[in-house]
Amino acid sequence: DGGITQSPKYLFRKEGQNVTLSCEQNLNHDAMYWYRQDPGQGLRLIYYSQIVNDFQKGDIAEGYSVSREKKESFPLTVTSAQKNPTAFYLCASRTSLTGTYGYTFGSGTRLTVV
Amino acid sequence: GNSVTQMEGPVTLSEEAFLTINCTYTATGYPSLFWYVQYPGEGLQLLLKATKADDKGSNKGFEATYRKETTSFHLEKGSVQVSDSAVYFCALSDLSGNNRLAFGKGNQVVVIP
Repeated sequence: DGGITQSPKYLFRKEGQNVTLSCEQNLNHDAMYWYRQDPGQGLRLIYYSQIVNDFQKGDIAEGYSVSREKKESFPLTVTSAQKNPTAFYLCASRTSLTGTYGYTFGSGTRLTVV
Repeated sequence: GNSVTQMEGPVTLSEEAFLTINCTYTATGYPSLFWYVQYPGEGLQLLLKATKADDKGSNKGFEATYRKETTSFHLEKGSVQVSDSAVYFCALSDLSGNNRLAFGKGNQVVVIP
């Protein structure tokens, strides 16, 4: 079955460390997205990519980096510059067709700073 | 810019009660509208959608009608079950070239047996 796989499900980071969250999709979707979810704040867009080798900052990109070397993969690195990284991170993808199509989401990665 | 507003606070109700979650939006043009559901510890799942004015999206007993005149897309279910306990997000699609989705803050729904 097609879908989006995020790994790991839980991740612990020490202060000052960079960590990378994996997101892989086999839906042949062109566009991929990373969201951060905090209690009571809904979903906030970190980065998105509409095509391989191209990506754009979302609303809260500071302290994060991404790459899009393959259509199937869109890893997110949480750098030490991100001062409050503890959150639930969601990856999503969608077809490049406009308008009527929603996103397909992964099951998320919960990152905790220890 | 585009934005979505959901009613404040969690919703707690008894099994078989009627559920309404309000959603209003601000957008230029005619966006597509969506409701997503998130069960504990999981990602979001598409619940239903509507792509033009007066369309009604429906799924699993949930319904929402795209009301252009009131810029609303309220979610309703006539008789909720304990298994409907989840967080519900209203969203709209950005009609610009980047196809971003704008989400509301979500509503926690708790159904008590």
